[in-house]
Formats: sequence, structure tokens, C-alpha cells
Amino acid sequence: GQQLNQSPQSMFIQEGEDVSMNCTSSSIFNTWLWYKQDPGEGPVLLIALYKAGELTSNGRLTAQFGITRKDSFLNISASIPSDVGIYFCAGPTSGTYKYIFGTGTRLKVLA
Amino acid sequence: EAGVAQSPRYKIIEKRQSVAFWCNPISGHATLYWYQQILGQGPKLLIQFQNNGVVDDSQLPKDRFSAERLKGVDSTLKIQPAKLEDSAVYLCASSRDRGGTEAFFGQGTRLTVV
Repeated sequence: GQQLNQSPQSMFIQEGEDVSMNCTSSSIFNTWLWYKQDPGEGPVLLIALYKAGELTSNGRLTAQFGITRKDSFLNISASIPSDVGIYFCAGPTSGTYKYIFGTGTRLKVLA
Repeated sequence: EAGVAQSPRYKIIEKRQSVAFWCNPISGHATLYWYQQILGQGPKLLIQFQNNGVVDDSQLPKDRFSAERLKGVDSTLKIQPAKLEDSAVYLCASSRDRGGTEAFFGQGTRLTVV
């Protein structure tokens, strides 16, 4: 079945640093969504992307819909301790519109 | 706007027992999803409803899991009998419609099977 692979799997960064992560698929997606999950909570939507090449920002977060429609990128600028969590990409598959999630990138910020 | 409500938050049962989870989606959302999230992994879609019809249940272990969404609003997910490997967080989500609209999640139910 379709899978979304995220990299890196985990990262440790210093407070104030910028962060980049990506998500790739073996098939085309028409929508990319980025979620953040805190411990003990459900995922919370950060950014939604609907068009190839689209670049969208939400505060310190910027996400891009890859031109090939098989990948997406998320950047976090000037990280702060509350950015700690797991970041997931997600999207509806073509045809059946199954809403699937990536493998996740675990972010830890060192103060 | 109220979010997705789930109950209970936590449940501990012995293997071979049965358990049920409840979800109330955001008002007006036609699509409802149940996910299983095992520790350290991303959420895995178990079943997806469009109104009260099933869109996809290809990853639902139908010999022990069942789900229903009567009247196209609330939904229940049941496990009977439970196995140790069913220990996970069960997340419910809803979206206005399927195919590209954002899904909003509840806090989940953490199930521990002992």
C-alpha cells in the first residue's frame, strides 16, 4: 500500500536553531498536511498544502508542496522548547481518499 | 466550535476481555476516522466513514474489531476479544468531507491490555 516516509526519524537541536524535515511518497498526493503531536494528545494540524509548488507559512513554520507531488517539506525557524514533539505528514490517497500518516520525525530542543 | 470528543481517556483490561470506545465528531463533519497508534509509530487508519457508510476498512482486523456510526454522527469502536498487541492509543478524527479537507483529532483513548 501507499506509504509516507519521513526523515530524519529524530533530531536533537539547540534552541534558536532552524529545523528542516521532509516527507516522501511512492505515489502522487493532491494534498499534504503537517501535524504535531504532543505526548498524550492527538495530532494537531499545523499547515495544509493543496497545490504543487505551494509554499505556506504559519508563524515560524513554513511548508512546501513538492513539484513532483510526491514529497513535502517542513521548516521551523528559531526553534523554542515548546516545538518539542513528533511531526507527522499526512494526506488523502488518490481514489479511495484513505487518510494516511507518515512515520514521524521526533524533535527535541535543548535549551 | 467544539472539538472531537472521545471517551474514555484511559482503559486497562485483561486479554480476552472486550472494550468499547466512543467518539463524537465535530458538528457537521461528514467523514469520521478511527486510527490505531502504537507507541513510537504514526497513526494507522483502521476505518473511515462517510456519513454512516464505510469508505475503507481494509486495515481493520474484522475478526475482533468492529465499528459503527449510527445516524452518521457518533461512532463506537469495539474490540472483542482483546489481545496484548491491541495495546495502543485509539484516535478518532473527523473532517468536513473526504479527499483533501483537514482532519481534526480527539485526545485519544489509551488502551492497555494485560
